Amino acid sequence: NAGVTQTPKFQVLKTGQSMTLQCAQDMNHEYMSWYRQDPGMGLRLIHYSVGAGITDQGEVPNGYNVSRSTTEDFPLRLLSAAPSQTSVYFCASSYSRPAFNQPQHFGDGTRLSIL
Amino acid sequence: SQELEQSPQSLIVQEGKNLTINCTSSKTLYGLYWYKQKYGEGLIFLMMLQKGGEEKSHEKITAKLDEKKQQSSLHITASQPSHAGIYLCGADGGGSGNTPLVFGKGTRLSVIA
Repeated sequence: NAGVTQTPKFQVLKTGQSMTLQCAQDMNHEYMSWYRQDPGMGLRLIHYSVGAGITDQGEVPNGYNVSRSTTEDFPLRLLSAAPSQTSVYFCASSYSRPAFNQPQHFGDGTRLSIL
Repeated sequence: SQELEQSPQSLIVQEGKNLTINCTSSKTLYGLYWYKQKYGEGLIFLMMLQKGGEEKSHEKITAKLDEKKQQSSLHITASQPSHAGIYLCGADGGGSGNTPLVFGKGTRLSVIA
């Protein structure tokens, strides 16, 4: 059982470049989310989705786009990379929303450096 | 929105010693999750507490939820090097009820021989 798979694991970009961080889950989870983790800041929510075709913004959405065309995939797009987006990005999924006491399952993360 | 504060921020303990990590919420806790993260890896789900007064244990790790104090504690008995890592608490972010978990900033645990 693969769980939540994130690709790539590492990436270096130049300022202004765009890229897509991939996230896929094989657990038929409706709920998916993206976080970034920075030293001293903890995990901060970027975007989330409660099902295919539905997305919403989190705490730090600026500079990122998401879409959810299938239940399995939830890609995160950086439109024009900036050094402030250097971070570790985590994708998570759960059967339903946390308010229903469903634990989120996390991928191993993508380590992104913007030069 | 919900905010979670963890204490201590970091902890160094000698192997075999007991330790406690606290997570205090700015709002009423309806559910509290504990995760562990090893360096360079993702978050591993440890336990979920749903009701005030609830206590759960897994191997040598015990977590409790004090709803009145809006606090949860994670206790490790007879710590081992395998317990080293970052422990994070998470809770429902409130609002519409659809928001994902919000997390504390984590407690970094080191276990020395």
